[in-house]
Amino acid sequence: SQQGEEDPQALSIQEGENATMNCSYKTSINNLQWYRQNSGRGLVHLILIRSNEREKHSGRLRVTLDTSKKSSSLLITASRAADTASYFCATIGNKLVFGAGTILRVKS
Amino acid sequence: NAGVTQTPKFQVLKTGQSMTLQCAQDMNHEYMSWYRQDPGMGLRLIHYSVGAGITDQGEVPNGYNVSRSTTEDFPLRLLSAAPSQTSVYFCASSYQGQGAFGYTFGSGTRLTVV
Repeated sequence: SQQGEEDPQALSIQEGENATMNCSYKTSINNLQWYRQNSGRGLVHLILIRSNEREKHSGRLRVTLDTSKKSSSLLITASRAADTASYFCATIGNKLVFGAGTILRVKS
Repeated sequence: NAGVTQTPKFQVLKTGQSMTLQCAQDMNHEYMSWYRQDPGMGLRLIHYSVGAGITDQGEVPNGYNVSRSTTEDFPLRLLSAAPSQTSVYFCASSYQGQGAFGYTFGSGTRLTVV
């Protein structure tokens, strides 16, 4: 069974807009990671947030973590066509478990 | 280039055949794992290893075997291929387990069982 569940399943926005994806999980975690997957490729690690952190930034990415609600969000600001991909959250108890992902399409 | 190398990239098997998917990393990562990705289901963990000589089962281990004789290599063996094993397989490695560091993924092996 999957630990993380992303929401929405699919998101379509215009270039320059912000994209927000959410992730909910079920059990206690050590940390939470976000990955991007371009079509037909492997996953690329974007950002890791530890269970004692509430917010983390990396370039145009902003991740928040609310352990009381067992949820996380990934914000991509000023989106670009190249951000078109699937985005997955992954959580660790003692194994990295992935959600089903959010498909992001950025239209130019 | 440093990273995770998977071979082959594509494979077609007949039901009942066996084969080995290769995975090698040159980053001296202790932790390695195999996932399968099916449409709409994200990635599911098959087997993982926290170091040479140590392996353990993940979420969907049935029909697959692994071994870890060296730090660099973590092959995945399909014992008797079934159509339900048609999937894209990814190998991933990390400096340590427990998700303390990001995982590096290979580019995947697309397997079709007919």
